[in-house]
Amino acid sequence: DIQMTQSPSSLSASVGDRVTITCRASQGITNYLAWYQQKPGKLPNLLIYAAYTLQSGVPSRFSGSGSGTDFTLTISSLQPEDVATYYCQKYNSAPWTFGQGTKVEIK
Amino acid sequence: EVQLVATGGDLIQPGGSLRLSCAASGFTVSSNYLSWVRQAPGKGLEWLSVIYSGGGTYYADSVKGRFTISRDSSQNTLYLQMNSLTAGDTAVYYCAGGYSYGYVDYWGQGTLVTVSS
Repeated sequence: DIQMTQSPSSLSASVGDRVTITCRASQGITNYLAWYQQKPGKLPNLLIYAAYTLQSGVPSRFSGSGSGTDFTLTISSLQPEDVATYYCQKYNSAPWTFGQGTKVEIK
Repeated sequence: EVQLVATGGDLIQPGGSLRLSCAASGFTVSSNYLSWVRQAPGKGLEWLSVIYSGGGTYYADSVKGRFTISRDSSQNTLYLQMNSLTAGDTAVYYCAGGYSYGYVDYWGQGTLVTVSS
């Protein structure tokens, strides 16, 4: 099965910083990749699907890029409400595996 | 408004069985994609299983042969039958639904399964 590896596992950045999270697939998945945000104590929330398509209602400071094996989630200007754990998920074929998560904190 | 309400979580002894249910409203289980995802305490999301709109079912290796996903169209409900449970299965179990292949639009609130003697 294809493994999904996120980096870093955690990061701390200042409000207004540009933040980039990477997700790497062990084999190519074209653009069958989603990103989710899970705030502490809350349910996950879909941010991006098809690698770069922003889900309706998601702030435009979030963006996704990549294809094949390497993908990134970028927060262009980190806000306090962005404190959360972020997960990538591949869905080119089952199993629809999640990455291990990246915890984002405010410095 | 879409609602997914997961129930059935409990404290169960190792080796035991449990069936989780996920009642859907505003979302038709038979014509969409429904998954089960779990999250152990303090850990990340783990995808477990999906049932496709066409009825196909798929599982993570960690639960293949032990867990069975199914649905009842008349009750608009998703199920997860879990057998041979171990302490490693202790987690909050979420049902999750999507209109499109692969990604989740809606999450249920989760139900806690604790496997312990």
